[in-house]
Amino acid sequence: DAKTTQPPSMDCAEGRAANLPCNHSTISGNEYVYWYRQIHSQGPQYIIHGLKNNETNEMASLIITEDRKSSTLILPHATLRDTAVYYCIVRGANQAGTALIFGKGTTLSVSS
Amino acid sequence: NAGVTQTPKFQVLKTGQSMTLQCAQDMNHEYMSWYRQDPGMGLRLIHYSVGAGITDQGEVPNGYNVSRSTTEDFPLRLLSAAPSQTSVYFCASVEHHGQKETQYFGPGTRLLVL
Repeated sequence: DAKTTQPPSMDCAEGRAANLPCNHSTISGNEYVYWYRQIHSQGPQYIIHGLKNNETNEMASLIITEDRKSSTLILPHATLRDTAVYYCIVRGANQAGTALIFGKGTTLSVSS
Repeated sequence: NAGVTQTPKFQVLKTGQSMTLQCAQDMNHEYMSWYRQDPGMGLRLIHYSVGAGITDQGEVPNGYNVSRSTTEDFPLRLLSAAPSQTSVYFCASVEHHGQKETQYFGPGTRLLVL
């Protein structure tokens, strides 16, 4: 799986959009970009994933650059409950038996 | 739809004791896995299963056994607990859509071995 780089921490005001960047310059053509988060003392939670097109669901939007070397997770209206560690993961198909590699992630702190 | 459930939430064991961590999912996923999470270590895969009756080892299987008699349940057994097994344990159920994979994690079991 390709390596990812994320800033260690970010702050966001409640109600504002949180934009979390991720660099994955060595991504290969069949690898997807996944985002998970882990709220303190809870299990990791899937947020969204994409291959090359932008994606949106009820939790977030994912913007992937045309060259696929970076992406941005957008939480459109951050709340205090969005305070968590966010992980960007690049992962190919047929990975049964291999662990999801979470890396260090970005700690997002949302404040009122 | 409860997703992935794990019991117990917390457990304290003495060295040498055995116990079973329970995991169940109601999403009819074939693939399930067990991870442990230690500070600064990220998630490490213990065992996984690609369907009922099929299990295999992950990267840190020693000291743990698993079985998969049904699609829904995937228990993790500690045969003789050791302090090094103090950790937070997460069970995951995996949905596959073609080449895409989504992992759904349970709330975790916090285990302390004295």
